Amino acid sequence: QSLLTQPPSVSAAPGQKVTISCSGSSSNIGKNYVSWYQQFPGAAPKLLIYDSDKRPSGVPDRFSGSTSGSSATLGITGLQTGDEADYYCGTWDNSLSAGVFGGGTRLTVL
Amino acid sequence: QEQLVQSGAEVKTPGASVKVSCVASGYTFSSYDINWVRQATGQGLEWMGWMNPNTGDTGYAHNFQGRVTLTRDTSITTAYMELSNLRSDDTAVYYCARGPRDRSHLDSWGQGTLVTVSS
Repeated sequence: QSLLTQPPSVSAAPGQKVTISCSGSSSNIGKNYVSWYQQFPGAAPKLLIYDSDKRPSGVPDRFSGSTSGSSATLGITGLQTGDEADYYCGTWDNSLSAGVFGGGTRLTVL
Repeated sequence: QEQLVQSGAEVKTPGASVKVSCVASGYTFSSYDINWVRQATGQGLEWMGWMNPNTGDTGYAHNFQGRVTLTRDTSITTAYMELSNLRSDDTAVYYCARGPRDRSHLDSWGQGTLVTVSS
């Protein structure tokens, strides 16, 4: 059971917008930056968002991140079929002194 | 461009140990932590631990305490993850990943190493 809770799956049509939630607690998201990772089947994860709302160079501005209290959200606008992947949130947990990930969300672009 | 290249797939029997290497290039090896993350087939990401290549300091997830050892050889900019007393549920892809000292994110990942534990 992950300390960070994500919906197992989300779906939306091409061109639409989708959000993926990541719920944590005061010992992790409530006190630390959140990062988001995109993973295609058979590939390594790729950093999508860091420091809760920053995009690495090369990541389109269709991807955005935000936090509120002990929750974080990944937003993707202008959905493309190439966005179909698994998405993971991650952060540091102060109580465990360990990194933690959400269970992952499978995005389907219908 | 920073790059992490891991060693090849391994097949081990229960009770054995495995040591996976991660060769770093394209950046100053000592300036970033190396983290290890594993993923069982069809499952999510599981953080295992971190290592500061400059000092050798390490931190491990509770689930792996006593079984995992992270080391490095700075002369060849290589990090190692050794997991001992392997069980069948240790079968997974193991990733090394670079991250800043504040452990806020992992910005570059190795390609992954499949470790299969089977009798």
